[in-house]
Amino acid sequence: NAGVTQTPKFRILKIGQSMTLQCTQDMNHNYMYWYRQDPGMGLKLIYYSVGAGITDKGEVPNGYNVSRSTTEDFPLRLELAAPSQTSVYFCASSTGTGGHQPQHFGDGTRLSIL
Amino acid sequence: QKEVEQNSGPLSVPEGAIASLNCTYSDRGSQSFFWYRQYSGKSPELIMSIYSNGDKEDGRFTAQLNKASQYVSLLIRDSQPSDSATYLCAATGGSYIPTFGRGTSLIVHP
Repeated sequence: NAGVTQTPKFRILKIGQSMTLQCTQDMNHNYMYWYRQDPGMGLKLIYYSVGAGITDKGEVPNGYNVSRSTTEDFPLRLELAAPSQTSVYFCASSTGTGGHQPQHFGDGTRLSIL
Repeated sequence: QKEVEQNSGPLSVPEGAIASLNCTYSDRGSQSFFWYRQYSGKSPELIMSIYSNGDKEDGRFTAQLNKASQYVSLLIRDSQPSDSATYLCAATGGSYIPTFGRGTSLIVHP
């Protein structure tokens, strides 16, 4: 049972480039989330999804886009990468009533924008 | 603005002592509370969840919840150097989206 899988683990982008961070879970969880974590800071919610075809903005959505075509996959798209998007990105999932259940986190993607 | 506040630390305790980590939350509608442990360079992992007032024990860990005071705590008994990590507190209310604190850094020294 793999849980939540994120790819890639590391990536360096140039300013203005675009990329997609992949996230897939095999636990049949309805809720999925994308967070970013800057050094010494907590987790900031970028986007979340309550099920296939349904997504919504979190606290810091600007510069990002998401889609949820299947229960398993929740990719995060960065358009026109900026240095402020340098961060560690975590994907998470949970079952049942979303945030009232514990979240399962992927290993993260470390992204540097130069 | 829903907030979860934690002292950033570091909290330094000797091996074998009790470590006490505290968290306050602003949303009175919060119903579910979680403690996650995050080692440096790793992802958060669940330590404890608590939903009712009182204490909940799991091995060396005890979570305490006081909804009247909007206060959650995590006690770690017989602290070990392997407990050195950042501990994140999270609270969830009616929106079904958890709010995380910034975390408290714990250092357990031999």
